Amino acid sequence: AQSVTQLDSHVSVSEGTPVLLRCNYSSSYSPSLFWYVQHPNKGLQLLLKYTSAATLVKGINGFEAEFKKSETSFHLTKPSAHMSDAAEYFCVVSEATSSASKIIFGSGTRLSIRP
Amino acid sequence: KAGVTQTPRYLIKTRGQQVTLSCSPISGHRSVSWYQQTPGQGLQFLFEYFSETQRNKGNFPGRFSGRQFSNSRSEMNVSTLELGDSALYLCASVLWADHSYEQYFGPGTRLTVT
Repeated sequence: AQSVTQLDSHVSVSEGTPVLLRCNYSSSYSPSLFWYVQHPNKGLQLLLKYTSAATLVKGINGFEAEFKKSETSFHLTKPSAHMSDAAEYFCVVSEATSSASKIIFGSGTRLSIRP
Repeated sequence: KAGVTQTPRYLIKTRGQQVTLSCSPISGHRSVSWYQQTPGQGLQFLFEYFSETQRNKGNFPGRFSGRQFSNSRSEMNVSTLELGDSALYLCASVLWADHSYEQYFGPGTRLTVT
């Protein structure tokens, strides 16, 4: 069965320090994995995706994530946090073909940035 | 290209009424997915449409329905509204490419049921 677990509901870091948002998944097949960001009262924006190519995926706004099959993890990182990074982040796992899709969202991690 | 458009952005209804929400995907995208987002349940998948056919459905009661038109625009309908239906309803325009896909979300429709 497919599932995704975001290990922290809330992460708080100081501006300029590294960000780590943790995500573990389970999937019966080779999944696609995504990270989305949602700013207050906004829709979701795709940060990055993994689809069985390079295990280190670079996204927008300086974020990147590493797919580790042995650990079933897909943690999101950023070397230096900016105030504008404060938002809700969602890890998503999907088993999809062109005829059907099964998409599971994590419960979200709220990222706060301290000045 | 224009992004995903959802109308209306905000809606207030009373219990027992019905509501119809609209989503226009990105031009050229033939697939649309709908999600419900609430503080308690998070993001939950409602259904997905591809070329006017529903091909995937989440675990929601029959009061929630949808359809897709030939121009790929989609509507979702909720009948006999309940207080618990208050939520942000998000539509995603889905692009299939290279055996994978990407979802581009609209800003959502905030539904309040009183």
